[in-house]
Amino acid sequence: EAAVTQSPRNKVAVTGGKVTLSCNQTNNHNNMYWYRQDTGHGLRLIHYSYGAGSTEKGDIPDGYKASRPSQENFSLILELATPSQTSVYFCASGEGSGTNQDTQYFGPGTRLLVL
Amino acid sequence: AQKVTQTQTSISVVEKTTVTMDCVYETRDSSYFLFWYKQTASGEIVFLIRQDSYKKENATVGHYSLNFQKPKSSIGLIITATQIEDSAVYFCAMRGYSNYQLIWGSGTKLIIKP
Repeated sequence: EAAVTQSPRNKVAVTGGKVTLSCNQTNNHNNMYWYRQDTGHGLRLIHYSYGAGSTEKGDIPDGYKASRPSQENFSLILELATPSQTSVYFCASGEGSGTNQDTQYFGPGTRLLVL
Repeated sequence: AQKVTQTQTSISVVEKTTVTMDCVYETRDSSYFLFWYKQTASGEIVFLIRQDSYKKENATVGHYSLNFQKPKSSIGLIITATQIEDSAVYFCAMRGYSNYQLIWGSGTKLIIKP
């Protein structure tokens, strides 16, 4: 069964609304990541986490917050969604010690449309 | 600066043949990690295989293997006995030892014809 799951799989939101994307992993990995994928940009890192209670900014954190309440769960929060945040969002978990050595395993993705 | 380049945008081969996808990278780190992922038509991203720069032997997993040429900063993915379900976009990615960031190539679309 899938080790990294995301919910919802599809979401339509209104501009200015709050959106929460959830990710759960059963790999027992310490590291978790949030990416967005847009045509022409590939995968871009938004936030990541070393473990429960920690969140770090990635390459494009503006407009996003992250929360890691437990080893298994990592959420991405858009407090005030904008149309530019329309994208496909992927969560990943990583094994190994430290983020510079891990192999990342991805969830199925969430398609977000902000109108 | 770190960079990963996949020059082949699309490759088409007949089923059951062998295909090689190219990837070159740039890094100043003496140790680094190289990965290949596959993205299916449904959008799923699947980890395939990994090569750590300090290992001399080419990694092999199932019908995937790597051609790691460190002096050329090259990490090619070889798929033997291709199947229709291998049709996907293949991404090469790299992380330098000193950097948390996973640098991605632009992907190569592989089409397997019957």
